[in-house]
Amino acid sequence: EAGVTQFPSHSVIEKGQTVTLRCDPISGHDNLYWYRRVMGKEIKFLLHFVKESKQDESGMPNNRFLAERTGGTYSTLKVQPAELEDSGVYFCASSPGSSYTYNEQFFGPGTRLTVL
Amino acid sequence: GQQLNQSPQSMFIQEGEDVSMNCTSSSIFNTWLWYKQDPGEGPVLLIALYKAGELTSNGRLTAQFGITRKDSFLNISASIPSDVGIYFCAGQLGTSSASKIIFGSGTRLSIRP
Repeated sequence: EAGVTQFPSHSVIEKGQTVTLRCDPISGHDNLYWYRRVMGKEIKFLLHFVKESKQDESGMPNNRFLAERTGGTYSTLKVQPAELEDSGVYFCASSPGSSYTYNEQFFGPGTRLTVL
Repeated sequence: GQQLNQSPQSMFIQEGEDVSMNCTSSSIFNTWLWYKQDPGEGPVLLIALYKAGELTSNGRLTAQFGITRKDSFLNISASIPSDVGIYFCAGQLGTSSASKIIFGSGTRLSIRP
C-alpha cells in the first residue's frame, strides 16, 4: 500500500510569488493534516481536514495560506504571496477515520520550501 | 500555546552505548508519542503511550508516560548506526486520537565513527 505522497519535494521561489503544495493521503484515510517545520524548530500543526471539511485550522499562520481538500481525497496548500519566513519543510499526514481505536498519523516525506 | 521542552538538542554517542532523552511540558497530555525522522523522510511513529505511568517497549526502545502526564522519556539500548536521526517527542491534548499533535523541537542523534 502506498504511503502519503507529497509534491513537489523541493520548491524554491522568490518573495511575493505563489506556491501550491500537494498531498495525496493514504487511500481511504478520512483525516488529513498539514504541519510545518521552520528553521530546525519544532514541527507545528497547521490544520486538520476530516474528509473535505476543515476540522481544526487553528495553526494556520495568516490569510496568505489557503488549504483545500476537494472531494475529500488529495489536498493542496497554497501560499500567496510567499514571504521569507514561510521557508521550511511542510509535512502532510493522514490517518484513518474515527472507527479505529487509535488514529496513527502517517507522515509524508515533506516539501522543502525555500523563499528567497 | 502548549510547548514541549525536549532535551538534549543533540547527542554524539559511540555505537553500543545506551541513549536517553526526555520531554517535559506545562500542559497535561492524554497521549505521548515518540517519532523518529530519517533524512529526506517524514516522522515515523516509534511508540505511543496512553496511560500515566505506562512503560512501553519496542525492541531496543523503551518509553514511559510520566505519572503527572507532563513528561516522558525515551531510552535506546545498545545503539547501532541506523539509530542516527532526529527523535521527536509529541503529545495530544484531545481525547480523540485524531486530534492535532504537538511536537518537541527534536533530539539529533549522531554516532561517533
